[in-house]
Amino acid sequence: GAVVSQHPSRVICKSGTSVKIECRSLDFQATTMFWYRQFPKQSLMLMATSNEGSKATYEQGVEKDKFLINHASLTLSTLTVTSAHPEDSSFYICSARDPKKSTNTEAFFGQGTRLTVV
Amino acid sequence: AQSVAQPEDQVNVAEGNPLTVKCTYSVSGNPYLFWYVQYPNRGLQFLLKYITGDNLVKGSYGFEAEFNKSQTSFHLKKPSALVSDSALYFCAVRDETGRRALTFGSGTRLQVQP
Repeated sequence: GAVVSQHPSRVICKSGTSVKIECRSLDFQATTMFWYRQFPKQSLMLMATSNEGSKATYEQGVEKDKFLINHASLTLSTLTVTSAHPEDSSFYICSARDPKKSTNTEAFFGQGTRLTVV
Repeated sequence: AQSVAQPEDQVNVAEGNPLTVKCTYSVSGNPYLFWYVQYPNRGLQFLLKYITGDNLVKGSYGFEAEFNKSQTSFHLKKPSALVSDSALYFCAVRDETGRRALTFGSGTRLQVQP
């Protein structure tokens, strides 16, 4: 089946620095990818929809200047957390669905990235 | 707007007993319903989905779910629980266009005791 790979799986950074998280679709071209954030013991909250070749669509309350999304190719979307603060510490997960398949196919998820800002 | 409710934060069941994890949904039009499982510090693994057809769908690892349109429910079930089934389970819904992201329930932690 389709595979989505996310890197890194775990990262620790200092306050004020920026961190980039990559999400790749390995065996299909994803025109759209989704970025979620998951707080401890909570559900996944959609942050933004990443569109290849155009600007990302951010959900209400998500700072676009803080969470920069770049979808430069059909197989790669990146999320950059800029000027990270401890409150940005969280589990970030990306997902994608093969657009060439029927709309009833499931989305595939990356392994997630545990970000800890110290 | 679409939404999903998982009323139980945690479900405890003894190994070998049947398990049910509840889910109700709200969506405009026909619902596409999914169950995913998450192990600690991992992404989500797809278990099963309902798109159309038989109301009882079978998925991975012996799990199944029953779609009930009148009750807008999609409960996850397994006839005999295993300790290794202990994990966090998410129900999700999206509309039939496929252009929107999944909307997830709050998750239910399943604890299977030996």
